[in-house]
Amino acid sequence: AQSVTQLDSQVPVFEEAPVELRCNYSSSVSVYLFWYVQYPNQGLQLLLKYLSGSTLVKGINGFEAEFNKSQTSFHLRKPSVHISDTAEYFCAVRPLLGRLYFGRGTQLTVWP
Amino acid sequence: DVKVTQSSRYLVKRTGEKVFLECVQDMDHENMFWYRQDPGLGLRLIYFSYDVKMKEKGDIPEGYSVSREKKERFSLILESASTNQTSMYLCASSLIDLLLRTDGETDTQYFGPGTRLTVL
Repeated sequence: AQSVTQLDSQVPVFEEAPVELRCNYSSSVSVYLFWYVQYPNQGLQLLLKYLSGSTLVKGINGFEAEFNKSQTSFHLRKPSVHISDTAEYFCAVRPLLGRLYFGRGTQLTVWP
Repeated sequence: DVKVTQSSRYLVKRTGEKVFLECVQDMDHENMFWYRQDPGLGLRLIYFSYDVKMKEKGDIPEGYSVSREKKERFSLILESASTNQTSMYLCASSLIDLLLRTDGETDTQYFGPGTRLTVL
């Protein structure tokens, strides 16, 4: 089974500050990588995904993530957050043959 | 747009009751999933199905069963609800066959809004 570790369970930041949400995974095979976001009282929606090619992936709402194969990481970043970015963020990994595995989530709270 | 709907947003049941959670998707997806979401534990896969009448156990299938009689509908069944099954239940669907290697281009799971189940 794959292992996905989100290193921070809670990340509080002030509005317009930069943010990084960290994700590491354990896998000896090639994987696809995803970030999903869950706004309050809603289901999850895809934020961005890495399949192949450029290691820097851009997603919706100004978020981006960088795949680092040597460090088995896929950290999510945004240069300037907004109040509306307050949500729970989930990192997920899928081997080329297999199902999706989710991390435990990081609650991002943006303060005015 | 893909739409995944779940039969209830909130549900309250008593210990020992049989509980049905229904999920319907409208995009002809092959794969459907049931997850359980608990604070600090993230999403844990209960069961998934990659075709009608096919099902596979996920990480925490104990105490649950599923039914997929039609492609668009995937039901989660709690045979005898217990208080430790109080949780948020999320249904999802996706297009790509999990058993085949793909380029992942459409390998996105689409989630319903969730059902918050309380067992008293």
